[in-house]
Amino acid sequence: NAGVTQTPKFRILKIGQSMTLQCTQDMNHNYMYWYRQDPGMGLKLIYYSVGAGITDKGEVPNGYNVSRSTTEDFPLRLELAAPSQTSVYFCASSYSSERGQPQHFGDGTRLSIL
Amino acid sequence: DQQVKQNSPSLSVQEGRISILNCDYTNSMFDYFLWYKKYPAEGPTFLISISSIKDKNEDGRFTVFLNKSAKHLSLHIVPSQPGDSAVYFCAASGGTALIFGKGTTLSVSS
Repeated sequence: NAGVTQTPKFRILKIGQSMTLQCTQDMNHNYMYWYRQDPGMGLKLIYYSVGAGITDKGEVPNGYNVSRSTTEDFPLRLELAAPSQTSVYFCASSYSSERGQPQHFGDGTRLSIL
Repeated sequence: DQQVKQNSPSLSVQEGRISILNCDYTNSMFDYFLWYKKYPAEGPTFLISISSIKDKNEDGRFTVFLNKSAKHLSLHIVPSQPGDSAVYFCAASGGTALIFGKGTTLSVSS
């Protein structure tokens, strides 16, 4: 009963380094999302995908890239890490985008950029 | 500008009493509202939702009330239990994205 799995759980990066946050789900959900949560704030949408090969920007996409080659996987890439990207990143999935359809979240990746 | 506001950062309640968590929103186009619960080092977990065409939805100890004219919703937990201690996020459905409030930390003491 894995649900949404995110790796790694923690990571420290130096400014300018790049990395990929991994997200996989085993619920055969079409919709997948990446959010970030800054301290004391709510979650903000970075990117989302409505199916394999289709992605779109959310509220805060700058500095990030995504791809969706399979239904299961939705990796998030940081190309040039900046201190402003220090945050907790959550991946989520849902069966559809129908109003009120709950999103299922992973346990997050805590990323620090120094 | 915040479209979903949870103005109380924290709430402390005794075990067995009622917990009331509040949420205000500004966009009248939101048509679904969801509550999520989050424990430390875990992701948010869906709790309960309500459509804008309803004014109440109940699931066990959890009830959500919606007042559309006031653009206000509240989550009632009765009776509160120590295991309910967590951060509660209110979220509004604005198309594909969910718009989240900043959360309210609920502490239930025994």
